[in-house]
Amino acid sequence: EPEVTQTPSHQVTQMGQEVILRCVPISNHLYFYWYRQILGQKVEFLVSFYNNEISEKSEIFDDQFSVERPDGSNFTLKIRSTKLEDSAMYFCASSNTGDSYNEQFFGPGTRLTVL
Amino acid sequence: AQSVTQLDSHVSVSEGTPVLLRCNYSSSYSPSLFWYVQHPNKGLQLLLKYTSAATLVKGINGFEAEFKKSETSFHLTKPSAHMSDAAEYFCVVIPYNNNDMRFGAGTRLTVKP
Repeated sequence: EPEVTQTPSHQVTQMGQEVILRCVPISNHLYFYWYRQILGQKVEFLVSFYNNEISEKSEIFDDQFSVERPDGSNFTLKIRSTKLEDSAMYFCASSNTGDSYNEQFFGPGTRLTVL
Repeated sequence: AQSVTQLDSHVSVSEGTPVLLRCNYSSSYSPSLFWYVQHPNKGLQLLLKYTSAATLVKGINGFEAEFKKSETSFHLTKPSAHMSDAAEYFCVVIPYNNNDMRFGAGTRLTVKP
């Protein structure tokens, strides 16, 4: 069964450093998403991406964040200058349509620890 | 704002007894509602979804949920808990004409032998 994969599973970085979190969505999906979950808090929407551009983003997704689909398979989330409060689990998801009734398939997550 | 509230942060049941995980939603329009499950070190897996068709929705692993508009609820149930059901469960709403998922805080289900 096709699945969303994410690498690395755990990333440790120093405050101020740039990190890139990688995701490989399901191959025939066209919509891609990033969510994050700070320890003990809700899963929060960050951004959705379609047709090589951001379609929606939340207030969390500020200028420090960017997303890219550099090739036909990867979908990346970059944090330019990490802060302590960026420590969280980051989930990538994909769906084959952008309809609100359509399931999003989630990856296992990348745990980001900022020291 | 459209959101969901999961009324219990932790539910503990004995194996073989019924499971009830409660969720209330807030939405101005007809929402799409989902239940996802997260096992340790695994991604979020869809259990079931409601998209304005049948109000009683059956999902995987024997779970089902009933959409009750009058109560703005979408509670998740299972007649008989199994040890493998122990996990974190998330109620999720996607507002009408939108595609960003809004998660509840989650309910941790513990199943005792």
